[in-house]
Amino acid sequence: GDSVTQMEGPVTLSEEAFLTINCTYTATGYPSLFWYVQYPGEGLQLLLKATKADDKGSNKGFEATYRKETTSFHLEKGSVQVSDSAVYFCALSDRSGGFKTIFGAGTRLFVKA
Amino acid sequence: GAGVSQSPRYKVAKRGQDVALRCDPISGHVSLFWYQQALGQGPEFLTYFQNEAQLDKSGLPSDRFFAERPEGSVSTLKIQRTQQEDSAVYLCASSLPSGGVPDTQYFGPGTRLTVL
Repeated sequence: GDSVTQMEGPVTLSEEAFLTINCTYTATGYPSLFWYVQYPGEGLQLLLKATKADDKGSNKGFEATYRKETTSFHLEKGSVQVSDSAVYFCALSDRSGGFKTIFGAGTRLFVKA
Repeated sequence: GAGVSQSPRYKVAKRGQDVALRCDPISGHVSLFWYQQALGQGPEFLTYFQNEAQLDKSGLPSDRFFAERPEGSVSTLKIQRTQQEDSAVYLCASSLPSGGVPDTQYFGPGTRLTVL
């Protein structure tokens, strides 16, 4: 079945450092790919998405490119801030899977001032 | 515009009790999903409704779990004879119809269930 694998955390960075969180997926169809974020004490919210190969999703300085050839959707940000500290979830949703979303285990990011 | 709301936010149950968790989706959202999130893990799919029709219940872990959405709006997830392994955060999400393309799901704050 479909699955998502993302790098284990926690990831600890200093402010203004470059961030990469790796995510790879396995899917039988042509999924849409998502990054969700969960800030401390808050619910899951969509950070960015991409619906087809080579699409780049971007939001709040974060970017991820849908790479079909490597089945990857790595999250990047050029300069992180303390306020980016959160748990990040890579996810996919596939029409052939009935639109349910399959999530990775999450990567906790700590950003130090 | 209100988001997805869930109640109660916290529920403590004794092993063997029945519980009912409520979800109010965003008005007009056709699709509704339930997920279970164990501590330190990503959410795992439980069940999916399109309007009042339950189209996928493949993720429900046992026949003690039952979900309904009788009028195509509010949904209730019921867990009978709760067990300690049922302790988790239960998330509800809703989305618009999307012409066949998986669309953004909007999540509620979740109900944290603790079974003693």
